[in-house]
Amino acid sequence: KQEVTQIPAALSVPEGENLVLNCSFTDSAIYNLQWFRQDPGKGLTSLLLIQSSQREQTSGRLNASLDKSSGRSTLYIAASQPGDSATYLCAVIGLYNTDKLIFGTGTRLQVFP
Amino acid sequence: GAVVSQHPSRVICKSGTSVKIECRSLDFQATTMFWYRQFPKQSLMLMATSNEGSKATYEQGVEKDKFLINHASLTLSTLTVTSAHPEDSSFYICSARDGRQPSVGTQYFGPGTRLTVL
Repeated sequence: KQEVTQIPAALSVPEGENLVLNCSFTDSAIYNLQWFRQDPGKGLTSLLLIQSSQREQTSGRLNASLDKSSGRSTLYIAASQPGDSATYLCAVIGLYNTDKLIFGTGTRLQVFP
Repeated sequence: GAVVSQHPSRVICKSGTSVKIECRSLDFQATTMFWYRQFPKQSLMLMATSNEGSKATYEQGVEKDKFLINHASLTLSTLTVTSAHPEDSSFYICSARDGRQPSVGTQYFGPGTRLTVL
């Protein structure tokens, strides 16, 4: 059974810092991995999607990497801003059930001015 | 871009009543819709997957008679929490897959519905 874990569970940093959020998964038989952002009481916004054959994806100040063999992904946020404050979730889709997104436990990020 | 709406955004009800939550795809046809549940400070757990015109597939441990799902059209799915109890209080989020897009994993999420059962 696939399990997805995120570390740290919570993070509070001053504005301007570069951040690394970690995601690990137990079964490397994945189709792809996604990073989402969730604001309090809101739905999810997709940030980056990495196919299993890819090593990384970039969008603006965000960079996500994937090491499928070791079951790890990192989300790098450069020059953090207060507007980045949110919960960040990673999710994987397995090779054998491409309907099912399995979510991690999330990292609650607070960036203060 | 693909937009998914949910209604209501918040609902408070008495124990024993039934609550219906709607999920709509506004600008695309959703061949498949998903319902998730999220407890405070926890992650999303998939409850069920529904395909238009067929019965929903429920995840292990989710009572299908408790959580009734209907996906009668390509733009609307409903989740009815029957005889709600306080332990059903949670944040319910739906997502939808655009049938025209072949990309695996492309789900568009609704804004969620906060259910509080007194």
